[in-house]
Amino acid sequence: QKEVEQNSGPLSVPEGAIASLNCTYSDRGSQSFFWYRQYSGKSPELIMFIYSNGDKEDGRFTAQLNKASQYVSLLIRDSQPSDSATYLCAVSSGNTPLVFGKGTRLSVIA
Amino acid sequence: GAGVSQSPRYKVAKRGQDVALRCDPISGHVSLFWYQQALGQGPEFLTYFQNEAQLDKSGLPSDRFFAERPEGSVSTLKIQRTQQEDSAVYLCASRSGGVTDTQYFGPGTRLTVL
Repeated sequence: QKEVEQNSGPLSVPEGAIASLNCTYSDRGSQSFFWYRQYSGKSPELIMFIYSNGDKEDGRFTAQLNKASQYVSLLIRDSQPSDSATYLCAVSSGNTPLVFGKGTRLSVIA
Repeated sequence: GAGVSQSPRYKVAKRGQDVALRCDPISGHVSLFWYQQALGQGPEFLTYFQNEAQLDKSGLPSDRFFAERPEGSVSTLKIQRTQQEDSAVYLCASRSGGVTDTQYFGPGTRLTVL
């Protein structure tokens, strides 16, 4: 069974700090990796996707992928209170449905 | 429309009642997915359509769950004889089928079975 593991948190960081969110996955055939942000009572919102090993940066967000270690992470620089949410890691093997982790709850303290 | 829409946003049903949840995907998106999200959990896959064809229904928890997309656009998820364990948020997502392979979610339907 394909599994995606995340630390449920809460992860608390002070405003302006770097938040580091981690995710591991079990299926070595996974090809696509996604980070979604979900505010309480809202639906998941896509933040980043990454397909290749290495780093991918978009504004304050950096996704990192290491396929050998089956590990994907999301760094949020200059964290803001508005970043407080649950971050969901999702993995897909090409044309297959996304497999989600349970999410990590992030709290940015002003 | 600009995004995925779902209706109703909230549904309260008595145990044993049948419910129907509707999803309008982003115009032109060929792929449509249904997920179930319990409180404090990540979304879990239920079923997947490519146009009108239901390609994967392995996530449907029982034969009380049925989904259709007869014209390849709007989809309906039907739950018969609802049980309390069916209480969850039901999320619909659509995907263009392009290289980026990203799914965009609707606002969800929160189902409460009493």
